[in-house]
Amino acid sequence: GAVVSQHPSWVICKSGTSVKIECRSLDFQATTMFWYRQFPKQSLMLMATSNEGSKATYEQGVEKDKFLINHASLTLSTLTVTSAHPEDSSFYICSARDAGERQKLFFGSGTQLSVL
Amino acid sequence: ELKVEQNPLFLSMQEGKNYTIYCNYSTTSDRLYWYRQDPGKSLESLFVLLSNGAVKQEGRLMASLDTKARLSTLHITAAVHDLSATYFCAVDNFNKFYFGSGTKLNVKP
Repeated sequence: GAVVSQHPSWVICKSGTSVKIECRSLDFQATTMFWYRQFPKQSLMLMATSNEGSKATYEQGVEKDKFLINHASLTLSTLTVTSAHPEDSSFYICSARDAGERQKLFFGSGTQLSVL
Repeated sequence: ELKVEQNPLFLSMQEGKNYTIYCNYSTTSDRLYWYRQDPGKSLESLFVLLSNGAVKQEGRLMASLDTKARLSTLHITAAVHDLSATYFCAVDNFNKFYFGSGTKLNVKP
């Protein structure tokens, strides 16, 4: 089946540094990728929608200068958390929609970010 | 803004019992998804419901969709401990997925 690879699985960083998370679709083309944030014991909150070759669309309340999203190819989207602070600590999950089978959405394994 | 509401939020049940999780959503959509999440893990796709009246079954889980009522259900039959997890429904609305709050299921031996 389709696989979405997300790296790293977990990262610990100091406050003020930037962290990049990669999301790759391994065996399909993903014209659209989504980034979610999940706090402990809560649901997934959609942060932004990333379309290949264009600017990401951010949900209300999500700072686009804080969470930089780049979707440079049909198989890769990246989320960069800039100048991270402890309140950015969370579980981040990417997902990708198969361009050929639009009803299917595949999820990455998630990245646990801890900012000290 | 689209709202997706799940209930119950927590469900503790004995093995062998049946129960239903409900998912209501606030806008028109004909695509409803169910996912399972284990602690510290990502989401595992369970069902994709694409039309009114759709019913899908896999093992002890059965999902249905009523687009007129904007309601989906996930029915658990004769629960076993391995089904303990958090279950999410999600609605596809204009190319965006919106998730319910999740139902944390604990099946006691």
